[in-house]
Amino acid sequence: DQQVKQNSPSLSVQEGRISILNCDYTNSMFDYFLWYKKYPAEGPTFLISISSIKDKNEDGRFTVFLNKSAKHLSLHIVPSQPGDSAVYFCAAGGGTSYGKLTFGQGTILTVHP
Amino acid sequence: GAGVSQSPSNKVTEKGKDVELRCDPISGHTALYWYRQSLGQGLEFLIYFQGNSAPDKSGLPSDRFSAERTGGSVSTLTIQRTQQEDSAVYLCASSPGAGNEQFFGPGTRLTVL
Repeated sequence: DQQVKQNSPSLSVQEGRISILNCDYTNSMFDYFLWYKKYPAEGPTFLISISSIKDKNEDGRFTVFLNKSAKHLSLHIVPSQPGDSAVYFCAAGGGTSYGKLTFGQGTILTVHP
Repeated sequence: GAGVSQSPSNKVTEKGKDVELRCDPISGHTALYWYRQSLGQGLEFLIYFQGNSAPDKSGLPSDRFSAERTGGSVSTLTIQRTQQEDSAVYLCASSPGAGNEQFFGPGTRLTVL
């Protein structure tokens, strides 16, 4: 049972344009959500998070949007840069499994110069 | 400051052998997590330690897997009688407490021949 899903395995974007990565979840008990970025042969690094009491959180070029009614979140990167090319994972936590995170399968983002 | 470290970085073993993977969390972090990432998959939760509480072992795939955390710091994940399906990257993470962002180590790539 995949509680967190990233339905796009890959995304290709031109440098300077917006990258939009999507994530859907099924467990309404999740109350915080995070995005991680992963380069090959490295562990994931934290990018940005959002609590379920908010619908938007912004940090520089990165903005996360949360639509609780649709159980959907998205990560916007603008402007996209070649160094943003990596695998992006969304993750969710909270509810009865407080502490541990449930991850999506990841989306490979490629930003072309 | 030092991040999460893991050793070894790579481990190749024969089917049926036991392996031990080590994780050194960030000093002062009370929560420690183990995940694994199989080829083309997202991160799969294995086990979670929080302070002196009993660990959440709900993600361990079989009784061949066990983990301990000594002195509230270093953790060892042990896989007994390894199988080929155990081949994956095993990631350790730590956080200041439950519900905070998790900081990941670089992972141990385990290959079972």
